Amino acid sequence: KNQVEQSPQSLIILEGKNCTLQCNYTVSPFSNLRWYKQDTGRGPVSLTIMTFSENTKSNGRYTATLDADTKQSSLHITASQLSDSASYICVVSLIVSGGYNKLIFGAGTRLAVHP
Amino acid sequence: DAGVTQSPTHLIKTRGQQVTLRCSPKSGHDTVSWYQQALGQGPQFIFQYYEEEERQRGNFPDRFSGHQFPNYSSELNVNALLLGDSALYLCASSLHGRNTEAFFGQGTRLTVV
Repeated sequence: KNQVEQSPQSLIILEGKNCTLQCNYTVSPFSNLRWYKQDTGRGPVSLTIMTFSENTKSNGRYTATLDADTKQSSLHITASQLSDSASYICVVSLIVSGGYNKLIFGAGTRLAVHP
Repeated sequence: DAGVTQSPTHLIKTRGQQVTLRCSPKSGHDTVSWYQQALGQGPQFIFQYYEEEERQRGNFPDRFSGHQFPNYSSELNVNALLLGDSALYLCASSLHGRNTEAFFGQGTRLTVV
């Protein structure tokens, strides 16, 4: 069964600290892996997108890693800011018949950054 | 360049009624996907439209139907609303292809009472 599991479910950190979010997946055939940031009640916003041949990709203070062999990904946030408080969703793209992408979403990690 | 726009932003309906949600994709995008997101959960795939046809469908009943117009905009229709249909409905647009970026709208918050 194609699944994406994220941990932890929620996380509280102090402003300025670093944190790492985890994503494990059992999706095949794999096309790409994406991390999205979703503010409460809003649509997800893309942070990074990686194909299976990419090991790491950065977007400002966000750095995503991918190990396609172990089917694991992480999102590292450096020097957290209050505005980083949001849900972070790991999304794995599955190739289906006809060459279309189907996105499998994790449940997300809810991050709260406190002053 | 406008991103993905959805309307309305909020909606309250009574159980048993029908609802239509609308989505305009990002300029240049030709594929629209719809998702249902319950509170505290990740989005669940409903269906995807490309070239005005439903190309993929998630595990949702036939009460959920859709349409894509020649200008690539899309509608999601839900009939015989249930209390459990209350959720944030997200539309995502992309350009047909394997590794293309998906851009999401701000969502429509549907409440069924």
